Amino acid sequence: QLVQSGAEVKKPGESLKISCKGSGHNFVTYWIGWVRQMPGKGLEWVGIIYPGDSDTRYSPSFQGQVTISADKSINTAYMQWSSLKASDTAMYYCAVGYCSSTSCSKFDYWGQGTLVTVSS
Amino acid sequence: DIVMTQSPLSLPVTPGEPASISCTSSQSLLHSDGFNYLDWYMQKPGQSPQLLIYLGSNRASGVPDRFSGSGSGTHFTLSISRVEAEDVGVYYCMQALQTPSPNAFGPGTKVDIK
Repeated sequence: QLVQSGAEVKKPGESLKISCKGSGHNFVTYWIGWVRQMPGKGLEWVGIIYPGDSDTRYSPSFQGQVTISADKSINTAYMQWSSLKASDTAMYYCAVGYCSSTSCSKFDYWGQGTLVTVSS
Repeated sequence: DIVMTQSPLSLPVTPGEPASISCTSSQSLLHSDGFNYLDWYMQKPGQSPQLLIYLGSNRASGVPDRFSGSGSGTHFTLSISRVEAEDVGVYYCMQALQTPSPNAFGPGTKVDIK
């Protein structure tokens, strides 16, 4: 099971860190992915992390825009922004999957989503 | 980048009848290990996505056997043998060969009841 932190309302320029806590998994043997869903739109990869060694990969669109991290001691992954924009308004999901080399499949557990609203 | 397309984008269905969704990738998803790196996810209204099919044709745990995946290379199909009312939602195919990648998910097919 993956439990995400609660909804956030922020102003442009503010920072934010959201979390995704796993239970019932051997957290260090799976990859954790973050997916963005803008209002009324489809799904987009933000990035993925392997908590075992913190190997992190970002989708080019999000490289430099967010930072993904993990603390394997507490089975938790994070995604953070240093300066939010209105265009970051979206639902963000975390999910557990399996990767080999550059290929990742079978994201079979998903968090409930964290709604981030950025508005002045 | 691999680009995914789906058809149709909207699919009205009749309960008890079969339904299918097509997914096409701009590059072959057949890996050297012999697996097609194509997953299917479904998102019910107001819920998180859920995995239906992984590696082209493997049904995820707990997924009813009325769902099946087929195809290879660049053309894939998700089939529902007999649609039920609970199958309403948006269905996404996702290329799993290059992760994370822009446009890895198809645009989605919205399934609703006629």
